[in-house]
Formats: sequence, structure tokens, C-alpha cells
Amino acid sequence: AQTVTQSQPEMSVQEAETVTLSCTYDTSESDYYLFWYKQPPSRQMILVIRQEAYKQQNATENRFSVNFQKAAKSFSLKISDSQLGDAAMYFCAYRSAAYSGAGSYQLTFGKGTKLSVIP
Amino acid sequence: GAGVSQSPSNKVTEKGKDVELRCDPISGHTALYWYRQSLGQGLEFLIYFQGNSAPDKSGLPSDRFSAERTGGSVSTLTIQRTQQEDSAVYLCASSFSLAGDTQYFGPGTRLTVL
Repeated sequence: AQTVTQSQPEMSVQEAETVTLSCTYDTSESDYYLFWYKQPPSRQMILVIRQEAYKQQNATENRFSVNFQKAAKSFSLKISDSQLGDAAMYFCAYRSAAYSGAGSYQLTFGKGTKLSVIP
Repeated sequence: GAGVSQSPSNKVTEKGKDVELRCDPISGHTALYWYRQSLGQGLEFLIYFQGNSAPDKSGLPSDRFSAERTGGSVSTLTIQRTQQEDSAVYLCASSFSLAGDTQYFGPGTRLTVL
């Protein structure tokens, strides 16, 4: 079974600064997807960024980028020019790319990192 | 609709009662997922549906939990004889298909069992 670990329960960043959230995962699969989701107090889980394991190039979405290290099984999220609206829980998630039995297509989540943005 | 919708937003019930939670996926999405989010257990997968195929129920925690999806669209998650440990936020997500597609989430239903 796959596991996802987020070792930073809480982090804070000054507005306009850069912050990096860490995520590691454990899998024996070679093809998979990784995601970062953001969950503000409204509870709505919002997709931030997605990475396909077969792609060597790191995904970017505006101020959000990832550092995907497949051999190290590491998938960190960098938020540049942090804004007050970035304050939320951030979840790293893993999903298999191929069917390998029951539950294959579920998302496996880390415990989350609570990000605070200081004005 | 523009996104995944869930109802009710909040539900308070008494221990032992049955509850039904509803999810309306994004139009055109064939795959639908239910997750549970609780303080102690984090985010847990419950069940997913793909089109008219038999659902994958491998995440359901007990036989008190069941779900159905009518007409390949709306889904209902039913919890029978609710227990206090069932208190959680129940999240629904949908995707265009199962294979490789991003899951988009609804706002969730907060269930409180007294």
C-alpha cells in the first residue's frame, strides 16, 4: 500500500515571501500521479497542482511549482509571492496510474500542513 | 452544474438514526468518489463508482455504510444506525474518467452524531 507523509504539521510565511511544503511518499509502482490540494476553512478541497510521474519536468501553475524527485520519492510544493489567500491546509496526495486491485484509483492523502500567511 | 455539489452542508443526528448524504457530480463526469475526513484519521477513501460498473467498496469501514449512484449521476451515501465515531466531514469528488483524471471535490457535508 502507498503512504504519503507530510512532516510539517504547521508552517508560516510572511506575505510576499516564498515557502516550501514538504511531501514524501512510498510506493513500489513506477507510474502514478501526485497532487497538491488546498483546503481553506470553507472545506472545499481545491486542486493546486498535478504531476505525472513519467514526466521529468516539474509542474508549475502561476505562483505554485513543485520539486519532483522520483528517485527520492519526494514532491515538495513551492509557493512564491505568498498572499493572504494562500492561508489554508495543504494536502499532498498520491494516485496510482494503473489498476492493481481494489482501491487502485483512490487518492491517498498525507495528514496535511497548515499554512499561515503573516501580513 | 459548474462544480460538485453536496447536500446537506451540515447534518446533526442522534446516535442510532440513519442518515443520507447526497452528491451531485460535475456534468459529464463518469467517476464519483466518497471520502471521509476526521480529526483522528485524516482523509480516508470510502467508495468509488465508474459509469455502470460495480462500485469499488473497499474503503467502507463497516456494513452500516452503503452508497448508490442512480442513472450514472447523483450518488447517495447512507449510514445506518449512526455512531459517534461516524462524526466527520464527508467529501464527494468526481472525475471525467477513472484513468488518470483529476478528482474535483465538493464542499462536503459535516456530520455530527450526538
